[in-house]
Amino acid sequence: KQEVTQIPAALSVPEGENLVLNCSFTDSAIYNLQWFRQDPGKGLTSLLLIQSSQREQTSGRLNASLDKSSGRSTLYIAASQPGDSATYLCAVRQLVKAAGNKLTFGGGTRVLVKP
Amino acid sequence: GAGVSQTPSNKVTEKGKYVELRCDPISGHTALYWYRQSLGQGPEFLIYFQGTGAADDSGLPNDRFFAVRPEGSVSTLKIQRTERGDSAVYLCASSLGPQWASGRAPNEQFFGPGTRLTVL
Repeated sequence: KQEVTQIPAALSVPEGENLVLNCSFTDSAIYNLQWFRQDPGKGLTSLLLIQSSQREQTSGRLNASLDKSSGRSTLYIAASQPGDSATYLCAVRQLVKAAGNKLTFGGGTRVLVKP
Repeated sequence: GAGVSQTPSNKVTEKGKYVELRCDPISGHTALYWYRQSLGQGPEFLIYFQGTGAADDSGLPNDRFFAVRPEGSVSTLKIQRTERGDSAVYLCASSLGPQWASGRAPNEQFFGPGTRLTVL
């Protein structure tokens, strides 16, 4: 059974500092990995999706890397801003057909960027 | 609509009562998913519909939980004899389909804002 872990569970940084969020998964047979942002009381907003054949994806100040063999992904947020304060979730989609299209999520990292 | 919508946004009920949560997917999306997110945790998969049928209901915790999608669009998650432990945010997502059957890649899921269920 796939298990996804995110460390740290919470992170507080001063504005302008770079953020590094970690995600690990136990079963490397994934189809892709996705990073989401969740604001309090809101749904999930997709940030980046990395296919299993890719090593990284970039969007603006966000960069996500994937090392499938070691079961790890890292989300980097450059020059953090107070508006980046949110919970960040990573989720994996399995490669095997029997697993369907369901996502397995980590517990999230709660980020606070202080002005 | 432009995105996935869920109603109600909040639901407070008493232990033992019956509740229904509704999800309206993005128009044209044939795949629909329900997840449950407890406080401080990531979402957990409940059930996946492809069209009108439940393709995978392995995440439903017990037989008090049931979901339908009679016309292949709107879905309703039904919880009988609610318990305090059912309190959570229930998230719905939709994606283009069909998945896997034609050899196409699984498509990205788009999430609704969720329904916060509180069982007193």
